[in-house]
Amino acid sequence: GAVVSQHPSRVICKSGTSVKIECRSLDFQATTMFWYRQFPKQSLMLMATSNEGSKATYEQGVEKDKFLINHASLTLSTLTVTSAHPEDSSFYICSAGLAGGIPGDEQFFGPGTRLTVL
Amino acid sequence: GDSVTQMEGPVTLSEEACLTINCTYTATGYPSLFWYVQYPGEGLQLLLKATKADDKGSNKGFEATYRKETTSFHLEKGSVQVSDSAVYFCALIQGAQKLVFGQGTRLTINP
Repeated sequence: GAVVSQHPSRVICKSGTSVKIECRSLDFQATTMFWYRQFPKQSLMLMATSNEGSKATYEQGVEKDKFLINHASLTLSTLTVTSAHPEDSSFYICSAGLAGGIPGDEQFFGPGTRLTVL
Repeated sequence: GDSVTQMEGPVTLSEEACLTINCTYTATGYPSLFWYVQYPGEGLQLLLKATKADDKGSNKGFEATYRKETTSFHLEKGSVQVSDSAVYFCALIQGAQKLVFGQGTRLTINP
């Protein structure tokens, strides 16, 4: 089956620094990638949708200047949390969709990245 | 907006017990409904889905029926195994192709 990896799996950083999280589709090309955020005991919240070669579409309430998303190739999308603060600490999950796939069942999820900002 | 509500966890059962995880949804139209499972250290995987009323999704012994009249999509399994221990997410998708998730239910099966 389609595999999506994320790197790093865990990261701890100091307040004010920037952190980059990578999401890769290992055995397929993903024209669309999604970034989610999950707080403890809460559901996944979609942050943004990125299409290869174009600007990401951010959900309402998500600061696009703080959460920079780049989808420069069909197998890689990156999320950069700029000037991170403790309130940005969360579990970030990406998913990748196949070109022409049916919404929902053609999204393949990465294992997530735990970000802790001190 | 659209939303999904799952039963509170965690749920702990003994092996071979019956499982039901409740899921109800709120949507203006006719969404497709999904159950995802997340095993420890892995990404979410699609477990089963149903795209219209009265459809039954099934996989790995799990079943869920799309009940439009009660806006529900409860996950059931007749006899759980230790390997079923995971976090289960109910979700819907409609229109703009954005998945809306429930909060997840952690299931632990003891031998």
